[in-house]
Amino acid sequence: QVQLQESGPGLVKPSETLSLTCTVSGGSISAHYWSWIRQPPEKGLEWIAYIHYAGTTNYNPSLKSRVTISIDTPKNQFSLKLNSVTAADTAVYYCARLRFWRGHFQFDSWGQGTLVTVSS
Amino acid sequence: DIVLTQSPGTLSLSPGESATLSCRASQSVSSSFLAWFQQKPGQAPRLLIYGASIRATDIPDRFSGSGSGTDFTLTISSLEPEDLAVYYCQQYGDSPYTFGQGTKLEIK
Repeated sequence: QVQLQESGPGLVKPSETLSLTCTVSGGSISAHYWSWIRQPPEKGLEWIAYIHYAGTTNYNPSLKSRVTISIDTPKNQFSLKLNSVTAADTAVYYCARLRFWRGHFQFDSWGQGTLVTVSS
Repeated sequence: DIVLTQSPGTLSLSPGESATLSCRASQSVSSSFLAWFQQKPGQAPRLLIYGASIRATDIPDRFSGSGSGTDFTLTISSLEPEDLAVYYCQQYGDSPYTFGQGTKLEIK
């Protein structure tokens, strides 16, 4: 069964760049799509972006100008960069597999999430 | 963007009862591309339902989804204490993918 694990700094200063990596184990990243989703404290979920192992990307327009998603297939990892962060970017960041199955996209496997706080 | 509005905000029920959770979309969701997730305290969301009514792998048949167009429902029968969670609907018919604000299910 595929497992995902987020890693990266838990504290980022305002105006700097948030960088997170998701390591995939128990399966190859060279299949499916891979995504980032975030959840501000005590709030709902917001989809950020996805990437296909072949390189296709899709971004939420609300964040597109500040976000880059990338994939490293030899390392079985994908990454998120969010620049010019503010306190509003404080959230638990989840990586997730976006599987295309029987004609449907499914966020079917998730990492445990990592809290990133934006503060000076 | 498609806005998903969930109701009620909080639902408080006793074990053995049934819960009915609603998700209304601001425009029709393509091909019933709607999913439901369960998020228990301190955990990541778990996929329950996709395609509006198809149970995900290993999800018990106490969980069922229905609906089409703009109105969708998640029904949980024979509630158990472990069903305490926030439930989210999510549409994947149009980009950007969007989630509802969640319904909190409390077990008395």
